[in-house]
Amino acid sequence: NAGVTQTPKFRVLKTGQSMTLLCAQDMNHEYMYWYRQDPGMGLRLIHYSVGEGTTAKGEVPDGYNVSRLKKQNFLLGLESAAPSQTSVYFCASSYRSEGKETQYFGPGTRLLVL
Amino acid sequence: AQTVTQSQPEMSVQEAETVTLSCTYDTSESDYYLFWYKQPPSRQMILVIRQEAYKQQNATENRFSVNFQKAAKSFSLKISDSQLGDAAMYFCAYRSPRGSTLGRLYFGRGTQLTVWP
Repeated sequence: NAGVTQTPKFRVLKTGQSMTLLCAQDMNHEYMYWYRQDPGMGLRLIHYSVGEGTTAKGEVPDGYNVSRLKKQNFLLGLESAAPSQTSVYFCASSYRSEGKETQYFGPGTRLLVL
Repeated sequence: AQTVTQSQPEMSVQEAETVTLSCTYDTSESDYYLFWYKQPPSRQMILVIRQEAYKQQNATENRFSVNFQKAAKSFSLKISDSQLGDAAMYFCAYRSPRGSTLGRLYFGRGTQLTVWP
């Protein structure tokens, strides 16, 4: 049981390049989230998904797209990277039981856009 | 949108002593959830403790406990018998149980805790 894993752990991009961050969870969780963390800030929600095939915008969605083709995977795409997207990206997954929900986080992906 | 405020960017404590981290939040909802997450240098986000707003009893998890003051919208974390491994960034987070913000976590900016030997 690996929990939540993220690929890659670190990446350097040039402005205008594209890339996809992969999040995978093996806990059969319905809900998945992508956050970004910037210096001096808490995590901010980019996009989230409440089930396979469904996605929704979070607090800071501009410049990102997501897909949830399989329940266990949640992909975050940058079509044309910008220096402002330099950040640490966290994926999380969760389930709800008896009204309770706790999000489990991946180890993060450090992205540097030059 | 809900806001979460952590007014202490940095705190320090001597090993074996007790420290309290502050958190306040703004919401018009009566039912919600509050969390404290720990982020060590490895950057992994680790759940420390959670509190349901409908519960009057303060949550505890071993050396970690909270002081939840619903009327004051305050949610502080107390760490007793501090250990070197407690050194980390601590984030307070809020979650709404319903509506358009269902499931979203709103985070404070964090408090960096240093533990001195």
